[in-house]
Parts: sequence; C-alpha cells; structure tokens
Amino acid sequence: ILNVEQSPQSLHVQEGDSTNFTCSFPSSNFYALHWYRWETAKSPEALFVMTLNGDEKKKGRISATLNTKEGYSYLYIKGSQPEDSATYLCAHTGAQKLVFGQGTRLTINP
Amino acid sequence: GAGVSQSPRYKVAKRGQDVALRCDPISGHVSLFWYQQALGQGPEFLTYFQNEAQLDKSGLPSDRFFAERPEGSVSTLKIQRTQQEDSAVYLCASSLGTGRGELFFGEGSRLTVL
Repeated sequence: ILNVEQSPQSLHVQEGDSTNFTCSFPSSNFYALHWYRWETAKSPEALFVMTLNGDEKKKGRISATLNTKEGYSYLYIKGSQPEDSATYLCAHTGAQKLVFGQGTRLTINP
Repeated sequence: GAGVSQSPRYKVAKRGQDVALRCDPISGHVSLFWYQQALGQGPEFLTYFQNEAQLDKSGLPSDRFFAERPEGSVSTLKIQRTQQEDSAVYLCASSLGTGRGELFFGEGSRLTVL
C-alpha cells in the first residue's frame, strides 16, 4: 500500500444498524493514524488519533482499532443514528504531513 | 477566535485572475496545513508550515501556487493565473505540534474558476 485507501467509498445503512469501514495505509514509517468526521457544510472534526499497534479507542457509539503491522484501521459505528450521516476520513502520517484517504460517505436511512 | 478561520468562504474568479486565500489558525498552534479538496475526493496535501518555516511544499501542483506564513500565525495561499482545474475547496488546518496532535480545520474556501 503506497497511499491511504478507504473502503467502501459510500455506504447506506438503516437507522439502528451497526456498520464498519476500513482504512488501509503504508505500514512502514508509521507515526500516527487519524480519523475525522466531516458533515456537510461543516469543518472536518477529529474523532481519534491512534499511535500504538493494537490500539482501540471509543467515543460514544463510535470506536476504532489499529493494526500498524499490516497497515489497516477499522471504524465501527454501533446503532447508527441519522446524525451519523457524514463523510469519514482517515489520515496517515509519518511524522509531519497527514495524507488523507478519499473518505467513506455514510448515509443513515431513517 | 476560538477556531480556525478562513476567508473568503466563496470565491469566483475568471480564468487568469490571481486569488489569495487567508487562514487564521488557532492562537498558539505551531503547525499549519493547506489541503485542496476536489469534488468527491479526499483532501490532498498542498503544504505545511511549522511556525513561519515552510517545511514541505511537495503538494503544490505548480509554480502558480504559493503559500506564506511570515509571522508564524496567519497564512495566505496565493494562486496566480487561475485555471479551471484549480476549482476546489481549499482547507486550512492547524495543530499544536506534529503528527500526533489532531488537526483543527477551518470551513474551507470554495474557489470556482470560470
């Protein structure tokens, strides 16, 4: 993996269902992995900054895991709500600049 | 202010015009980043400052793009002789330090080149 890749590109989920999506990144020269939520007409907001292999972080119904050896992170949303509709961005850094993936656009259907 | 402020929020330019986009980061934030986001894509890195020093400008797409942060706070991204492919949202973000600190983003400047 040379770039940061996210999948799927878009996702429609029924309200109340749980979902997850993936971020793949270069496993060499790893420093940190960031997750951001970007709602329409707003600024991207940080969800998690993860640095250690095996790290798991949680904020309310949203959690994330990190595998630096194989170069992937999962973001999980439990019991999706309409307010979870947003684009979720991950970004990898090797110490200075953050390189972003193209995002996963999540739509929650009521 | 409390957050990262960008201006103008919207800019329409005729092809060939010069534009300047301003970013006012959170006070005390050392690092400042500029990203370009085209429709349907993720933010693409343009350049990075640590205080007034431009440490990485590898993402600037051509020599028509220039960024500065002369006093280590406010930054300006200048695009000369704009082209249609420059149409995008330009995001500015700041952070306390390098890589492990979360970025705080402005709302972006949407540039449309006609």
